[in-house]
Amino acid sequence: NAGVTQTPKFQVLKTGQSMTLQCAQDMNHEYMSWYRQDPGMGLRLIHYSVGAGITDQGEVPNGYNVSRSTTEDFPLRLLSAAPSQTSVYFCASSRRARDNEQFFGPGTRLTVL
Amino acid sequence: AQKITQTQPGMFVQEKEAVTLDCTYDTSDPSYGLFWYKQPSSGEMIFLIYQGSYDQQNATEGRYSLNFQKARKSANLVISASQLGDSAMYFCAMREVNTGFQKLVFGTGTRLLVSP
Repeated sequence: NAGVTQTPKFQVLKTGQSMTLQCAQDMNHEYMSWYRQDPGMGLRLIHYSVGAGITDQGEVPNGYNVSRSTTEDFPLRLLSAAPSQTSVYFCASSRRARDNEQFFGPGTRLTVL
Repeated sequence: AQKITQTQPGMFVQEKEAVTLDCTYDTSDPSYGLFWYKQPSSGEMIFLIYQGSYDQQNATEGRYSLNFQKARKSANLVISASQLGDSAMYFCAMREVNTGFQKLVFGTGTRLLVSP
């Protein structure tokens, strides 16, 4: 099992550009989520999904879109990048939403100039 | 309101000693879960331990134990016999069952440095 994979590892964008951060898991997990981690702050939930076709907003959803067309993939789209979106982004998954352990991907470091 | 508070930005401990990392939380939900995650310098988040609000005993996982004091709303992580590999950021997190069990809220973290 590859676990949770994220691509790219690093990305630099200009203000106003759009891009998609990829997240995939091969553990047949129903629950997937996206977090951002900023210096001096804990991880904050952006969006989550409890299964294919079902997504919902977390704590900081503005400026981001998600979709879940398959169990395996949960891409995060930045519609028009802003410097405030400079952060490290983590994708996580668990078998069920109520499971205690979430498995995290290695993260994507995004810089918006 | 801050739901998870970690007041120690940094902690130092000598190898083989025990260390306690503090975490206090705020919730009115009677059913909740408390978590600790480790983030080494390589960046990945690693689940360490979980405590449910109705669990009668403190959770333990190997060298990790969670000192759960419900009345004081604290969930401190105790690492016994520290190792050099324990040097990392440690995050406390909470999930409220009735208001969104899908949503994990994290504290700001404590950086632990273990010296030889």
